[in-house]
Amino acid sequence: IAGITQAPTSQILAAGRRMTLRCTQDMRHNAMYWYRQDLGLGLRLIHYSNTAGTTGKGEVPDGYSVSRANTDDFPLTLASAVPSQTSVYFCASSYSVLAGGYNEQFFGPGTRLTVL
Amino acid sequence: AQSVTQPDIHITVSEGASLELRCNYSYGATPYLFWYVQSPGQGLQLLLKYFSGDTLVQGIKGFEAEFKRSQSSFNLRKPSVHWSDAAEYFCAVGIMNRDDKIIFGKGTRLHILP
Repeated sequence: IAGITQAPTSQILAAGRRMTLRCTQDMRHNAMYWYRQDLGLGLRLIHYSNTAGTTGKGEVPDGYSVSRANTDDFPLTLASAVPSQTSVYFCASSYSVLAGGYNEQFFGPGTRLTVL
Repeated sequence: AQSVTQPDIHITVSEGASLELRCNYSYGATPYLFWYVQSPGQGLQLLLKYFSGDTLVQGIKGFEAEFKRSQSSFNLRKPSVHWSDAAEYFCAVGIMNRDDKIIFGKGTRLHILP
């Protein structure tokens, strides 16, 4: 693995189904993030984690949950998907400013999710 | 409230022409500043960053940006664009010593005429 990987690349999902988007980084970054990207709205932060074991809410957290059991993995779960969650989801990571980093974020390739 | 504004949603320039993409931010503290590029169907790639020091920063692919504190701006420039520069460009701002979140502008899509 080099950098950040996301899985799946794309997914079509029925409304009401549960879905977990996976994100793994091998850069030993302590901070990780989930964004959604929608046309005309740019990137909006869903959830973030400054370090393993802690998470925080971003701008649009409703309908999503995250966990950070270890440094490398940061899965995003949609407990019951709705059509408004159709979007492209990006995972990112950085060295935390709280640990002396500069929050320069590195992005994964994205997951395109369609909820019908 | 913190905000980042990219006034131009779309910009079209001819190949070989110069380029300037505008970015203005609203923050009370000293910011970290970034420009990212996103090619169609791809993730975001960091072009350049400003943390401190020289206010004119050089990035990859021949891009540069200048931090002007008095104007709260961080405009991206390139002297001569190539067709491969067609992409979406995002300006982003973080707060020094505050937290890990950065705020993205809504992006400027660059179109290149042959």
